[in-house]
Amino acid sequence: DSGVTQTPKHLITATGQRVTLRCSPRSGDLSVYWYQQSLDQGLQFLIQYYNGEERAKGNILERFSAQQFPDLHSELNLSSLELGDSALYFCASSPGASSYNEQFFGPGTRLTVL
Amino acid sequence: TQLLEQSPQFLSIQEGENLTVYCNSSSVFSSLQWYRQEPGEGPVLLVTVVTGGEVKKLKRLTFQFGDARKDSSLHITAAQPGDTGLYLCATRDNYGQNFVFGPGTRLSVLP
Repeated sequence: DSGVTQTPKHLITATGQRVTLRCSPRSGDLSVYWYQQSLDQGLQFLIQYYNGEERAKGNILERFSAQQFPDLHSELNLSSLELGDSALYFCASSPGASSYNEQFFGPGTRLTVL
Repeated sequence: TQLLEQSPQFLSIQEGENLTVYCNSSSVFSSLQWYRQEPGEGPVLLVTVVTGGEVKKLKRLTFQFGDARKDSSLHITAAQPGDTGLYLCATRDNYGQNFVFGPGTRLSVLP
C-alpha cells in the first residue's frame, strides 16, 4: 500500500459524458501527479500540482483539467469523453517538486468509455 | 520531448536465469528512475541514478547508468517468479516539464 488513494476504482460511462477522478496523496506529500496508461500509448504524464499550484504540464488534452485543493487532494476532470479516453488513470504523490523525488503511485482508476 | 526506448519489449525466462534489460535515449538524462509495475497496480520505484557510470545494487538487481548518461541497464541475477512484471524507465525531459516513461519491458519468469 503506497498510501495514495484513488476513487473510484472502476468507472464506466458513455461518450460525450464528463467524469471526475479523485486522488488523496500520502500524508505530508505536497506534489500530486496524474498519468494516463493505455495499451498503445504506455504511461503518459498529464500534469503535476505542487502545494495547490500547477507545476508542470504534459500531454494533457484541453478536454481534461485538474486541480489541487487546500487539503492537497486532487481531482482530474475529463469531459466530452471519447472511446479513446478509455485507460487506467494513475495519481502519484511525492514530498517535493523535484524530479529526484520518488513518486508513490495509487492503485489507479480504470475508465471505460462505451 | 525526450523519448525513451526500452529493450527487449518482452522477455520470458525460466526461474534461476539471469537477464538484462536496457533503456536508451538520444538525449542526456539529468537523472533516471527504474520502476516495476505489477498487473492491476501502480508502478513502484526501484532506484534513481544520477551520476554517469553509477552502479547501484538492490539485492539481486543491479542498475547501471551509462558514462554519457544516455543509457541505463537493469540486470537481474537468478530471476524468481516474483520478479515478473513490467519494468519501466523514466526521466524528466530536458526542459524540466514533462515526466517521460519508456514503453517498458514485460518480464515473465516461469517456475
